[in-house]
Amino acid sequence: DAGVIQSPRHEVTEMGQEVTLRCKPISGHNSLFWYRQTMMRGLELLIYFNNNVPIDDSGMPEDRFSAKMPNASFSTLKIQPSEPRDSAVYFCASTRSGTGRNQPQHFGDGTRLSIL
Amino acid sequence: GDSVTQMEGPVTLSEEAFLTINCTYTATGYPSLFWYVQYPGEGLQLLLKATKADDKGSNKGFEATYRKETTSFHLEKGSVQVSDSAVYFCALLRTGNQFYFGTGTSLTVIP
Repeated sequence: DAGVIQSPRHEVTEMGQEVTLRCKPISGHNSLFWYRQTMMRGLELLIYFNNNVPIDDSGMPEDRFSAKMPNASFSTLKIQPSEPRDSAVYFCASTRSGTGRNQPQHFGDGTRLSIL
Repeated sequence: GDSVTQMEGPVTLSEEAFLTINCTYTATGYPSLFWYVQYPGEGLQLLLKATKADDKGSNKGFEATYRKETTSFHLEKGSVQVSDSAVYFCALLRTGNQFYFGTGTSLTVIP
């Protein structure tokens, strides 16, 4: 089975530009998570969705960040305008929730974002 | 609130040495506990898990036992290999589906 698929793998852009990161969760998974990983802060949860609905976005750092999940098989994380301090690796993860059993999260390979 | 505390790294070991990475947690109720591994340039991968007290999770020679009395889930391996060099994350899942991750421990194994 395909795992969580993220695109692009690498993104380099200039500050002020709009950046869109994409994620396709594992088929059948109904919860999706966006994380940011940096050396300074480690792994931070930005937002998570359950059944395509945003449940907790308290980790989204600023209004420049937004995330959507228009259907069960696709999500985007957008940064507009981007700033150099947004440079990080962004991970998407998915899991199947509501089964009564605690299921692990499955991570994509991440998008390495560099804002110049 | 819920949280996970794991030992700070980096940890450097010689090949075939014994590994312990400490992890303790704070949570009410009965959380599930996980260890994830992140190899360079990759995402986190589930290494092992335990869902109730006294459970032992194991995979690829790694083991961790869910100790409720000490609120711990230490990761161990009897003989590490160079290929085990990675960052290891302890994680907790209590209710719903929100995970709490530790800060990660970097392991380097030298030949």
